[in-house]
This record gives sequence, structure tokens and C-alpha cells, in this order.
Amino acid sequence: DAKTTQPTSMDCAEGRAANLPCNHSTISGNEYVYWYRQIHSQGPQYIIHGLKNNETNEMASLIITEDRKSSTLILPHATLRDTAVYYCIVRVSGGSNYKLTFGKGTLLTVNP
Amino acid sequence: NAGVTQTPKFQVLKTGQSMTLQCAQDMNHEYMSWYRQDPGMGLRLIHYSVGAGITDQGEVPNGYNVSRSTTEDFPLRLLSAAPSQTSVYFCASKGGTGKEQYFGPGTRLTVT
Repeated sequence: DAKTTQPTSMDCAEGRAANLPCNHSTISGNEYVYWYRQIHSQGPQYIIHGLKNNETNEMASLIITEDRKSSTLILPHATLRDTAVYYCIVRVSGGSNYKLTFGKGTLLTVNP
Repeated sequence: NAGVTQTPKFQVLKTGQSMTLQCAQDMNHEYMSWYRQDPGMGLRLIHYSVGAGITDQGEVPNGYNVSRSTTEDFPLRLLSAAPSQTSVYFCASKGGTGKEQYFGPGTRLTVT
């Protein structure tokens, strides 16, 4: 699996957009970018995933660069409940993507 | 649906004791996994199963056993607990064609 690099921590003001970057320069053509988050003491929660096109759902948007070597998760209007550790994971899709490799992620702190 | 459930929520063991962490899912998912999370670290895969009767080792399997006699249940057994197994344990499941994993709330285990 491709390795990912994320900042250790970030701050964001409540109501503003939170932009979380992830570098994955060794990503393969068949690997997707997945984002999960983990609110303190809870199990991880799936947010979004994408291959090469930008994706949006009710939680967030995912912007993947054209060369696919990096991506950005965008929380459009961050709330205090979005304070969590955010994990960027690169993995092939399909059945075998149950074997996720979690790094240390980015601790996003949303401030009032 | 209850999703993924784990019991107990908390457990304290003495070194050398054995116990079983329970995990169940009611989504008829094929794939189930166990992860452990140590302080300041990401999740590491212990064991996983691709269906009833089939299990395999993940990244850190030593000291743990699993079995999958039914689709719903995937218990994790600690054979002889050691202080190094003090951790938070998460169970996860995924459907065959699903892109996301669903995680349980975790079991916090302390071995003294």
C-alpha cells in the first residue's frame, strides 16, 4: 500500500472550512484515497473516498490533484463536533480493502 | 440495525489470565477485523476474516486467537494476557461490495 503523509495537527475556527492535506506520492493507479476520522475514545468513522475525480457527500468534499500524488479533505463548515483525528488511507478498492493501515493521522481541533 | 457491537467496554486482567473479547454485527457483512490502538498510535490490524470459517493474521497477531463460526460473530481470544496487550481494541466489519468499514465502540483492556 502507498504510504501517506499528514500534518500532525491543525486548528480551525468554528464555522470556517477545514482543509486537511494528505500526500501520497507513491500511489498506484488502482488505489483509492479513503478518509476516516476518530472522535475521542470512539471507533473510526468513514468519511469519504475517491479515485481521481473530486467527490462530495453530506459530510465532506475530497479534492484529488490531477497527478494523484496528494489530496485535500474539506469540511465546509466545521463545528466543535468535528474535532477528531483524521486519517488518510490509500488502498485498493474491492473486497480486500478491509485491511486498512492507519497512520497517526491529523488531529483537527475546531475552536469556538 | 445495531451495527457493530463489542463487549465488554472495559476490562482489567492480571498477567497470565485469559479472556475473550466479543464482537457481533447484524449487517450480514462478510469481512470482519480486529484492530488494536495504543496511545498516540494509529490502529494496527490483529486478525481478520473474509467469511465464516476463514480467518487470517494481520500485522500484530501474536498472543491472540480468533474464530469465525458464524457470519455475525468474530470473538478475539487472549490466551495468556501480558501488560503489552494493554490497549483499546476495535472490531470492524465490511460488506463484500461496500467501500467503507464500520467500527465498533471499542473495548478498553488493561493488563496489570
